[in-house]
Amino acid sequence: DIVMTQSPDSVVVSLGGRATINCKSSESILYSSNNKNYLAWYQQKPGQPPKLLIHWASTRESGVPDRFIGSGSGTDFTLTVSGLQAEDVAVYYCQQYYNVHPTFGQGTRLEIK
Amino acid sequence: EVQLVESGGGLVKPGGSLRLSCAASGFTFSNAWMTWVRQAPGKGLEWVGRIKGRNAGETTDFAAPVTGRFTISKDHSKETLFLQMNNLKSEDTGVYYCATYGDYAGLIDYWGQGTLVAVSS
Repeated sequence: DIVMTQSPDSVVVSLGGRATINCKSSESILYSSNNKNYLAWYQQKPGQPPKLLIHWASTRESGVPDRFIGSGSGTDFTLTVSGLQAEDVAVYYCQQYYNVHPTFGQGTRLEIK
Repeated sequence: EVQLVESGGGLVKPGGSLRLSCAASGFTFSNAWMTWVRQAPGKGLEWVGRIKGRNAGETTDFAAPVTGRFTISKDHSKETLFLQMNNLKSEDTGVYYCATYGDYAGLIDYWGQGTLVAVSS
């Protein structure tokens, strides 16, 4: 299975600030035939199920604020959250769906300073 | 509106069995690819297994830790997804989420609220 590794494990940012979460896959998840990265980002708030934020590494789901930006390709990806708001406090997970067995990163906890 | 409501969780002894249910609505259940994802207490997300839609043969696939012990099935008349868990181990403890695959296999777009399974003597 493809191993997904996130860094850091936790990040503390001031309100209005910017948070950067990294995700690295153990092998490339870029499919050459369609030039798509099979990478998703999820947000999980306390006591709630995960919520899909971004797929194809950079495509935001409907209703997701444009403060959330996904980037990267191949094996290295980033989720950037700008203009941090209190409601963004959550654990963020990356996930690959390149392989038939999807795998998740260990999660990054985002907190407000 | 897509709704997924899990039930059936509880406390079970090691070696025991449990069947989780997921009542689905708001989408075409018969052809939906669906999955179970679990989360151990205070830990991250782990994909458990999936079932393809009826028009894709409803075949199933599982993560290595549960292969041979867990099965997934659908009751189309009740639009309910099941996860049958046998020979449970302490490491199977966690919240189990029922979810749907979106436009591409493995991309999980809708999640239920989850049901807690605790395996302990």
